[in-house]
Amino acid sequence: EVQLLESGGGLVQPGGSLRLSCAASGFTFSYYGMNWVRQAPGKGLEWVSGIVGSGGTSVSAGYTHYVDSVKGRFTISRDNSKNTLYLQMNSLRAEDTAVYFCAKDLGRSGFSSLDFWGQGTLVTVSS
Amino acid sequence: EIVMTQSPATLSVSPGERATLSCRASQSISSTLAWYQQKPGQAPRLLIYGASTRATGIPARFSGSGSGTEFTLTISSLQSEDFAVYYCQQYDDWPRTFGQGTKVGIK
Repeated sequence: EVQLLESGGGLVQPGGSLRLSCAASGFTFSYYGMNWVRQAPGKGLEWVSGIVGSGGTSVSAGYTHYVDSVKGRFTISRDNSKNTLYLQMNSLRAEDTAVYFCAKDLGRSGFSSLDFWGQGTLVTVSS
Repeated sequence: EIVMTQSPATLSVSPGERATLSCRASQSISSTLAWYQQKPGQAPRLLIYGASTRATGIPARFSGSGSGTEFTLTISSLQSEDFAVYYCQQYDDWPRTFGQGTKVGIK
């Protein structure tokens, strides 16, 4: 059974940093792309960042992608030996306040929908 | 960035009736389109991928159609558990983008 468990959320002041983790189990983690998706209170879903897995082409494995609003502030990474996905968030702003979901790619190609999601971790940026 | 636009924002439907939700992409995305269902306090659930393929365990009353820029999610006979918010998402290009959602409520 696929499981994704996020942790690391909390209250942080504007300009501060936080690192989110997503512990994965139930599938060969390294093969699949992984993503972070966020949802501000009462708002819709926003894809934040993704990292390609090794199941696609060797050229694209490990490639990272970001939405423009977090480029230069957030860094996605993965530790395949620990089956864990990370999101390092620096220079946090009030508008980064949201529930952050970790989500797995359905396929290995790097172009895929998201078939499993964690329950989310809340990040609140406020003074 | 590919902009995804969903309509309507809100849809009121009686149980047992048909619901039709629309999603438009700002440029052609072939069939790289997914639909998700989200209930309050829960993570989204994948319903449809590849524009028309039901995900594992999704009932046959959910169907997806379309390609290019115009897509539709149809729920043939709404059940009580189907009242939720539905999002479309493109995965043709980075950044991945979601529509703003359609809330399906009880009429």
